[in-house]
Amino acid sequence: AQKVTQAQTEISVVEKEDVTLDCVYETRDTTYYLFWYKQPPSGELVFLIRRNSFDEQNEISGRYSWNFQKSTSSFNFTITASQVVDSAVYFCALSEKGAQKLVFGQGTRLTINP
Amino acid sequence: EAGVVQSPRYKIIEKKQPVAFWCNPISGHNTLYWYLQNLGQGPELLIRYENEEAVDDSQLPKDRFSAERLKGVDSTLKIQPAELGDSAVYLCASSLNSFNEQFFGPGTRLTVL
Repeated sequence: AQKVTQAQTEISVVEKEDVTLDCVYETRDTTYYLFWYKQPPSGELVFLIRRNSFDEQNEISGRYSWNFQKSTSSFNFTITASQVVDSAVYFCALSEKGAQKLVFGQGTRLTINP
Repeated sequence: EAGVVQSPRYKIIEKKQPVAFWCNPISGHNTLYWYLQNLGQGPELLIRYENEEAVDDSQLPKDRFSAERLKGVDSTLKIQPAELGDSAVYLCASSLNSFNEQFFGPGTRLTVL
């Protein structure tokens, strides 16, 4: 069975600090996909990134970066030089090739204070 | 390009009443999903459609919930009768196929009194 754990329920930092959101997953499939979504106060889930299980290269997109490590079953998300607009709930999700459905973690509420 | 459209955005009903939610996916997206999101939780899949076929409805409470996607485009999710515990946000998402990223609509926030 697939499972995603986001142990950090809430994180609060001051603007311009770097912050890392943790994500640990469980799956028996060898082929799977990992995702991060952002849910701002407006409520709409915004897609951030998709990685497949065969690609462990780290990804950087502007101030965002993702570290995928199969050895520890983790897919962590780092925001560099955080900004107030980064305040949102962030969800990590897993999709097994066999199940073809997204299973979400509980989410991490990130608050960036000015 | 328009995103996933959902209506209504908010709905307040009394328990035992019926309610329906509508979703229009992104044009060309074959796969459509309905999710339930309780407060402080991640979304949970209710049903997945490939075109007009419901290929995964294992999490849909079929005694009171029903869904349809008649022409493989728009979809409707219905609850009849609604219970207090159904208060939640109902999210619709679509993707090109099951292995691509899903794009979500703004959701319908249901309150059952």
